[in-house]
Amino acid sequence: GAGVSQSPRYKVAKRGQDVALRCDPISGHVSLFWYQQALGQGPEFLTYFQNEAQLDKSGLPSDRFFAERPEGSVSTLKIQRTQQEDSAVYLCASSRVRDYEQYFGPGTRLTVT
Amino acid sequence: ELKVEQNPLFLSMQEGKNYTIYCNYSTTSDRLYWYRQDPGKSLESLFVLLSNGAVKQEGRLMASLDTKARLSTLHITAAVHDLSATYFCAVDYAGKSTFGDGTTLTVKP
Repeated sequence: GAGVSQSPRYKVAKRGQDVALRCDPISGHVSLFWYQQALGQGPEFLTYFQNEAQLDKSGLPSDRFFAERPEGSVSTLKIQRTQQEDSAVYLCASSRVRDYEQYFGPGTRLTVT
Repeated sequence: ELKVEQNPLFLSMQEGKNYTIYCNYSTTSDRLYWYRQDPGKSLESLFVLLSNGAVKQEGRLMASLDTKARLSTLHITAAVHDLSATYFCAVDYAGKSTFGDGTTLTVKP
């Protein structure tokens, strides 16, 4: 079956621009996670959804970061007024329920110039 | 705050040799994951370890979990070039996964 998909795969943004990153989880997966992975480091948790409810956003680094999952399926991570330190790979993962194995998408590589 | 430490961070080994990667974590948890990541790719799940004493094996890789020592190991047996990748452990706590910094493994002929 189809895995987790993300788009775009690559995004170059000028400092100050807004960007929107999309995640399509595996069909039927209740839980959806966003992570940020800086070069040479492990992924860091950003936020978690259970269906359409955002239950944990403790990892979002600033109020420029906003995530939504309005219908409990596709999710969008939005970054406003991008800064150079936002350059990273943004990974989305989904799982059947919260404490089960997570399946990761291919990621979106964001470069802010 | 949960801390996850892996060592070594970089490992170069010859084909046919054995080695172990270690993952220590700072807070009680009974769920630990090992992932593989190839350059420019996403994470591939290798093992999910759910209880103290759990041991799982797949091919040349074997993972174990000691929740009392807060330690997991990933043992590589008779390494082959195809195992070259970065390996991450991740520990669940308070509903979220915390990852180590990864171990970059290079297997040389």
